[in-house]
Amino acid sequence: GQNIDQPTEMTATEGAIVQINCTYQTSGFNGLFWYQQHAGEAPTFLSYNVLDGLEEKGRFSSFLSRSKGYSYLLLKELQMKDSASYLCAALDSNYQLIWGAGTKLIIKP
Amino acid sequence: DADVTQTPRNRITKTGKRIMLECSQTKGHDRMYWYRQDPGLGLRLIYYSFDVKDINKGEISDGYSVSRQAQAKFSLSLESAIPNQTALYFCATSDPRDRDYTGELFFGEGSRLTVL
Repeated sequence: GQNIDQPTEMTATEGAIVQINCTYQTSGFNGLFWYQQHAGEAPTFLSYNVLDGLEEKGRFSSFLSRSKGYSYLLLKELQMKDSASYLCAALDSNYQLIWGAGTKLIIKP
Repeated sequence: DADVTQTPRNRITKTGKRIMLECSQTKGHDRMYWYRQDPGLGLRLIYYSFDVKDINKGEISDGYSVSRQAQAKFSLSLESAIPNQTALYFCATSDPRDRDYTGELFFGEGSRLTVL
């Protein structure tokens, strides 16, 4: 079956760095997405990786290893507004998105 | 104004009632989707449509139906609502021709449905 695993919850301190991991098992693979979702709001797109390596976008970076079925989202210089859920989703061979349950990130002052 | 608009935003109804959730978009995207989100679970696809004449079932279509009235409008119906359909429902759009071909989804603000 197809599956996405990510931690349920993480806690980090304002100003610090946090890494949210995601492992995936899909029928084929056409890319890995990260979305941010604040409580009660819609998910918003953060990043897309289809090739191995690190993609940096400001304070956020996303890494992909296709051979390991693994991705992580790296958030630097954490701010209180980064408190949200982070959703990992993989695109399978039929271009269908398989979603993880999300990682709730709690930022403490 | 939001590019993807859902109505109603909140609805409480009773078991057995028919409910329609509506979605309209001004992004000009051909592809539209309906998802539901439950605590502790990932987003699950109910139905999707790649153009007005194309409707496809997602992984959890039982108990739901959809109508694509126009490129900009995609409605989700619950013919006879039941309590386990209580969830947060999201409409989303995408454009396969986007500049990076990421297939990025653009979500509406969500419709919270409670079935008593």
